[in-house]
Amino acid sequence: EVQLVESGGGLVQPGRSLRLSCAASGFTFDHFAIHWVRQAPGKGLEWVSGISWKGGRIGYADSVKGRFSVSRDNAKKSLYLQMNSLRSEDTALYHCAKGRYGDYERDAFDIWGQGTMVTVSS
Amino acid sequence: SYVLTQPPSVSVAPGQTAKITCGGNRIGDKSVHWYQQKPGQAPVLVVCDNTDRPSGIPERFSGSNSGNTVTLTISEVEAGDEADYYCQVWDSSTDHPNWVFGGGTKLTVL
Repeated sequence: EVQLVESGGGLVQPGRSLRLSCAASGFTFDHFAIHWVRQAPGKGLEWVSGISWKGGRIGYADSVKGRFSVSRDNAKKSLYLQMNSLRSEDTALYHCAKGRYGDYERDAFDIWGQGTMVTVSS
Repeated sequence: SYVLTQPPSVSVAPGQTAKITCGGNRIGDKSVHWYQQKPGQAPVLVVCDNTDRPSGIPERFSGSNSGNTVTLTISEVEAGDEADYYCQVWDSSTDHPNWVFGGGTKLTVL
C-alpha cells in the first residue's frame, strides 16, 4: 500500500524549533518529489515546501523562507522539515504529499499523509 | 502573489450536477489540479492537468479550462461527494515561483 506517515508534531513555544518527519512506503521513494502542505484549523491548504527526487531542487513558501528547511534521506525513504523561529501563525496540521513525478514544480500531489499537528503557543 | 478565487460554497441536490469554479489571472495558460477533502481526512487528487482523472476517480468527476475560468464538474452528485474542493496551480510568474491553492469550496449535497 502506498503510504505517507508524518510524525514529530506537538506543542511548542514561540521562537522554538521542531523537526517533522515523513516516512514513505509502497513506492520508489527516490523517484518522486515530496512536499509539505499545511492547514491551519478551519482554514484552507497552504503549500510550505517541496523537494525534488534527488534533493537538488528545493522551494519554500515566502511565509517560511529562512525559517524552515526541508531535506530528504532516500536511503531511509524519509522526508524532514526543520522548523525554526516558530510563530503562532505556523500552527497547523502538516501533511506530506507525494508529487506525481520527480520535479517539485508543476506536477500534482497524488498521495497525501494524514498529517501531524503543530501548535505554537506559550 | 498569484491568487486563485473559488466560491466559498456550492449546494446541489443528489443526482444533479455540481460546478465549482476557480478563477485566476491568465489561468488558461496554467495546468490546474483539483483536490477533494472530506472532514478529518487528507486531500485526494481528483483531477490533474486541467482534465485528467487519476486512477480510481469516478468518471463523474471532470475538469475544464478555458479563458480565465477553470471548472470542476461533478455529475450525478452523491451524498458521499460532500467535501471541500481545492484548485491548485504552479505559479512561475514572479521571482519566487510557488504552489498556490484556492481558498476552497464547500460542496453541500442537499
